[in-house]
Amino acid sequence: DAGVTQSPTHLIKTRGQQVTLRCSPKSGHDTVSWYQQALGQGPQFIFQYYEEEERQRGNFPDRFSGHQFPNYSSELNVNALLLGDSALYLCASSRRTGAYGYTFGSGTRLTVV
Amino acid sequence: DAKTTQPPSMDCAEGRAANLPCNHSTISGNEYVYWYRQIHSQGPQYIIHGLKNNETNEMASLIITEDRKSSTLILPHATLRDTAVYYCIVANFGNEKLTFGTGTRLTIIP
Repeated sequence: DAGVTQSPTHLIKTRGQQVTLRCSPKSGHDTVSWYQQALGQGPQFIFQYYEEEERQRGNFPDRFSGHQFPNYSSELNVNALLLGDSALYLCASSRRTGAYGYTFGSGTRLTVV
Repeated sequence: DAKTTQPPSMDCAEGRAANLPCNHSTISGNEYVYWYRQIHSQGPQYIIHGLKNNETNEMASLIITEDRKSSTLILPHATLRDTAVYYCIVANFGNEKLTFGTGTRLTIIP
């Protein structure tokens, strides 16, 4: 049973560019959350998608946006990249009902130069 | 801000029980205690959760004090593969966002 799949695994972008990260949730999961993890820190919640709508949002600027597709997969978009956006971006999936824990992917390592 | 306090690091000998403490003195009545761990270069992995009773699964045991202000995660027979950062999180059951602190870096010593 495939877990959460994220692509790409690594990415290098230039300051000011835009980036799209992708996530396929675990089979049977319908809710997708995104987290940003800076080096040496715990993951920070960005937002959560369910039924193709953003349901919760953390303290991140509007440069961070997302989308969920009918097959429950999701994209994270970041516009006008800053050096401080360099981090590991994690996708986590869960079931909306009866959920007791999230399944995380291995993340996308984004480096902004 | 995280609602939990954990020691920044701990060591444990291989084969011994690893006991990881967590303080959550402001936990509310409907919040659960969750434990996740993150092995280097991987995403966090769910370990166990509980409300007020002690819980056990194939990975670990969770002991929650009667007043629910603290808990202990127990790995009964630690192996080198248990070396990781362990996060204690309080959250409502279901799909509430997880607020991670900086966790406890557990090192298993051969």
